[in-house]
Amino acid sequence: DIQMTQSPSSLSASVGDRVTITCRASQSISTYLNWYQQKPGKAPKFLIFAVSSLESGVPSRFSGSGSGTDFTLTISSLQPEDFATYYCQQSYSSPYTFGQGTKLEIK
Amino acid sequence: QVQLQESGPGLVKPSETLSLTCAVSGGSISSFYWSWIRQPPGRGLEWIGYIYDSGSTKYNPSLKSRVTMPVDTSKNQFSLKLNSVTAADTAVYYCARGATSGYHWYFDLWGRGTLVTVSS
Repeated sequence: DIQMTQSPSSLSASVGDRVTITCRASQSISTYLNWYQQKPGKAPKFLIFAVSSLESGVPSRFSGSGSGTDFTLTISSLQPEDFATYYCQQSYSSPYTFGQGTKLEIK
Repeated sequence: QVQLQESGPGLVKPSETLSLTCAVSGGSISSFYWSWIRQPPGRGLEWIGYIYDSGSTKYNPSLKSRVTMPVDTSKNQFSLKLNSVTAADTAVYYCARGATSGYHWYFDLWGRGTLVTVSS
């Protein structure tokens, strides 16, 4: 199985901050990397596919980059509604694995 | 718009079979990959498997011996059956739609999830 490791596991930030979350794959997954946002008690929400392609309706303050084994999700200016847990997920090969999550909290 | 809704028992006894159904409304079940994903309380996400509308399936090897995912296209729904459950199968179970763009695919729509507790 491909292991997906996110860092940090948790992060405290303020509204207006720029934050970056890192996701590392245990082997190359090319650009088969997706991102999701989950708020407490809710289902995950799809944000980004193929590293950097935003789902329709996702604000442009979200962006993604990377290839191979190292990827990042950046939020350019945090808004109150962005405080949530973020998961990366590889779609390169089965089983399709997720990172352990990064919890973004208000400072 | 397309919506997914999970249904099934919230409590299952150890060694029995967990059975859930995902009803797809507002769109056809055809031409998408339909998955089950679970999340133990306070933990991360685990993909269980998918079924394509033709009936072809792919399961997580860690669960493959215990999982089946039948589809009923006439009712626009698909199901999860996980047998010989233990407390480790306690989780929120989500159904999700797998969409594609070129060679890429992703879970673009999710149900609200249903908590299944395994306990006697």
